[in-house]
Amino acid sequence: GESVGLHLPTLSVQEGDNSIINCAYSNSASDYFIWYKQESGKGPQFIIDIRSNMDKRQGQRVTVLLNKTVKHLSLQIAATQPGDSAVYFCAENRSGGSNYKLTFGKGTLLTVNP
Amino acid sequence: DVKVTQSSRYLVKRTGEKVFLECVQDMDHENMFWYRQDPGLGLRLIYFSYDVKMKEKGDIPEGYSVSREKKERFSLILESASTNQTSMYLCASSPPGGRYNEQFFGPGTRLTVL
Repeated sequence: GESVGLHLPTLSVQEGDNSIINCAYSNSASDYFIWYKQESGKGPQFIIDIRSNMDKRQGQRVTVLLNKTVKHLSLQIAATQPGDSAVYFCAENRSGGSNYKLTFGKGTLLTVNP
Repeated sequence: DVKVTQSSRYLVKRTGEKVFLECVQDMDHENMFWYRQDPGLGLRLIYFSYDVKMKEKGDIPEGYSVSREKKERFSLILESASTNQTSMYLCASSPPGGRYNEQFFGPGTRLTVL
């Protein structure tokens, strides 16, 4: 079936390094792809989204890249900080009428080492 | 700031009990959602509501029902709790006007069914 999945369940980086979190998707009809961050003990928090007709979008210290050819999405975090330690979820907003319905991936745990 | 609150952080119930999980948002959002989060499975949508008294099934509605009598409140009901409903339950809301990708989550309720 169609799903949003993660390449790696865990990622460990050194403070100050750049982090890259990857996500594969299978539904070519999705309108948007979205990244959420979930810190320990909290609900997920929206980070950034990208429309399916774009390749790249930048936010504050984050960049999302979309490669439709290989159905791959990535979140790049520049100069990773201890506060970036969290579980990161990719999600997709599938077309077909229910624009407010998101489908989430399984998540990647990012650990930032001081 | 948008605030989504959930009635309990931790809840322990017995098999067969009727369980109510309450969620309240204070930003006049039309859309509200209930997810469950399990290790290795990510977030899965149970039910959502796009208006008062309106509801739609998500991906895993079996064993659950919902109620939305007021715009700010969305309740998840487990008619007869079972051990396989032990999970973290997350409520979310999203604003109208096309910002469908940005859902605001509560802190979650960790439900244990014995």
